[in-house]
Amino acid sequence: GQNIDQPTEMTATEGAIVQINCTYQTSGFNGLFWYQQHAGEAPTFLSYNVLDGLEEKGRFSSFLSRSKGYSYLLLKELQMKDSASYLCAVKGGANNLFFGTGTRLTVIP
Amino acid sequence: GAVVSQHPSWVICKSGTSVKIECRSLDFQATTMFWYRQFPKQSLMLMATSNEGSKATYEQGVEKDKFLINHASLTLSTLTVTSAHPEDSSFYICSASGTSGVLEQYFGPGTRLTVT
Repeated sequence: GQNIDQPTEMTATEGAIVQINCTYQTSGFNGLFWYQQHAGEAPTFLSYNVLDGLEEKGRFSSFLSRSKGYSYLLLKELQMKDSASYLCAVKGGANNLFFGTGTRLTVIP
Repeated sequence: GAVVSQHPSWVICKSGTSVKIECRSLDFQATTMFWYRQFPKQSLMLMATSNEGSKATYEQGVEKDKFLINHASLTLSTLTVTSAHPEDSSFYICSASGTSGVLEQYFGPGTRLTVT
């Protein structure tokens, strides 16, 4: 089976840094994705990690440790528009994606 | 990036009727398409994976006779919810991955189904 865990909700202040953690136990691993989803919209791709380490893309960074089954998404210089759900997803052996429960981030002034 | 469209964006139907949702890859060939369902304030749940020209693979707990999936071409997949009931009301999202070795899936904008 697949088990992907994230915190349900987080709150952070505009301009600050926030780290959203994701732990996973899956049968098969072909990479880990982070998606952003605003209410009522489809997810949009943020990052992809398949090897251990940090991937940086502008204000967003994602880290992966395969041995620990652990990833995090780091958002810097938070903006109000970053208020959204952030979904951790693991690509399994059959090229399908399994999503975590999602973390609802609220950015406050 | 690649574009995936869904039609309709929202639909209301009466209990007992069937509804068809289309998913199209507009600027790339999608060898594999995925169908997800998302209930309010919950994450995406994979329903099935379909490869062009072959039968879909359904996730455990998803009734294949109720959710009919057809992937007849490299740019089109359809999901038909048969004999819909109010508990089928949900946000249905498709995604597609292409033939060029791209690893990520591209998501459609979703279809909001309400069964009355």
